[in-house]
Amino acid sequence: DAGVIQSPRHEVTEMGQEVTLRCKPISGHDYLFWYRQTMMRGLELLIYFNNNVPIDDSGMPEDRFSAKMPNASFSTLKIQPSEPRDSAVYFCASSLSGASYNEQFFGPGTRLTVL
Amino acid sequence: AQKVTQAQTEISVVEKEDVTLDCVYETRDTTYYLFWYKQPPSGELVFLIRRNSFDEQNEISGRYSWNFQKSTSSFNFTITASQVVDSAVYFCALSDLASGSRLTFGEGTQLTVNP
Repeated sequence: DAGVIQSPRHEVTEMGQEVTLRCKPISGHDYLFWYRQTMMRGLELLIYFNNNVPIDDSGMPEDRFSAKMPNASFSTLKIQPSEPRDSAVYFCASSLSGASYNEQFFGPGTRLTVL
Repeated sequence: AQKVTQAQTEISVVEKEDVTLDCVYETRDTTYYLFWYKQPPSGELVFLIRRNSFDEQNEISGRYSWNFQKSTSSFNFTITASQVVDSAVYFCALSDLASGSRLTFGEGTQLTVNP
């Protein structure tokens, strides 16, 4: 079975540009999570969806960040405009219902570098 | 508020040594779930184990074992006869009723197993 798929795997962009990260969760999973990992702040939850509806976006750093889940098999995380401090690895994860006790399956991550 | 502390930032051992990774958690809920994830150099987070707060039985899976002690709010992870392939960052995580589906991660412990 395919795991969580993320694209692109690496993204290098210049400050001020728009960046879109993509995620395809595991089929049948109804929870989707976006995380950011940096050396300074570790792993942070940005936002999560249940049945395509955003449930908790309290981790989204600021208005420059937005996330959508138009259907059960696709989600995007957009940064506009990007800044150097957004450089990080962004992970998407998915899980079955009852995500508080079900393990989350992580994608390979997107390494974002903003110059 | 939930908190997970992994006091050991880095551990270095020689192959075949046993090594224990510490995890201490804080939560006000009586129902909660604890997790361990492994992040190898390739970057993807891999689920290792889940424990609920009502099950204090220790668990063994091959060379891996976990010791859950509610009295000390700890969920420690031991690798017996470590191997070079065990080199990775290991994360302890917590979810509870208050956090819903949010996972709170510890800072991670970088384990290096030298040949």
